[in-house]
Amino acid sequence: AQKITQTQPGMFVQEKEAVTLDCTYDTSDQSYGLFWYKQPSSGEMIFLIYQGSYDEQNATEGRYSLNFQKARKSANLVISASQLGDSAMYFCAMREGFSGSARQLTFGSGTQLTVLP
Amino acid sequence: DSGVTQTPKHLITATGQRVTLRCSPRSGDLSVYWYQQSLDQGLQFLIQYYNGEERAKGNILERFSAQQFPDLHSELNLSSLELGDSALYFCASSGPSVTSGTDTQYFGPGTRLTVL
Repeated sequence: AQKITQTQPGMFVQEKEAVTLDCTYDTSDQSYGLFWYKQPSSGEMIFLIYQGSYDEQNATEGRYSLNFQKARKSANLVISASQLGDSAMYFCAMREGFSGSARQLTFGSGTQLTVLP
Repeated sequence: DSGVTQTPKHLITATGQRVTLRCSPRSGDLSVYWYQQSLDQGLQFLIQYYNGEERAKGNILERFSAQQFPDLHSELNLSSLELGDSALYFCASSGPSVTSGTDTQYFGPGTRLTVL
């Protein structure tokens, strides 16, 4: 089974609107971390936001927020007030195990977001 | 700018050749990770080093090897190259666990390898 599933290969959103990118995960670990990265057409991977499995509050970073529903094993990224510069590929990733073990990330297949003017 | 540097940015070579990709982690980071991004396989973890020692191995081919040096920079060596090795290779680094509660990995700009 896929550990990280992103079911939306492509999404369109109007400038200044909010958009939700879906991510579901599968793990038997109690401690894990969930990450979102942005990859513009230039190719670099930009860290956006992190949610730990024990964090009780949803993570927020500026216009980014993570809608974490542990029971449903989902970690959706919400981008508010979309900007043209938000057009990019977005990847959801998971680190299983305790943070101290510094383990590798497992990535989803990504969602290509296009912001329309 | 993530603070992680990778050289070269682009590399074009022929099948059967050997190349070395170089990575310098962010200042203070002890862990270095290598990932491969290709159209058919997506983003895949290859190998991790922590303070000079191999910590974890992923889907890394036997033709590939890596090491982390005492100054913490890392090199990924790819040999007997095949057309299918063409990909974007990322290096990422993260801090020691005592100072970085999230172990967030910060990625370098990548090396785009083209095997002709």
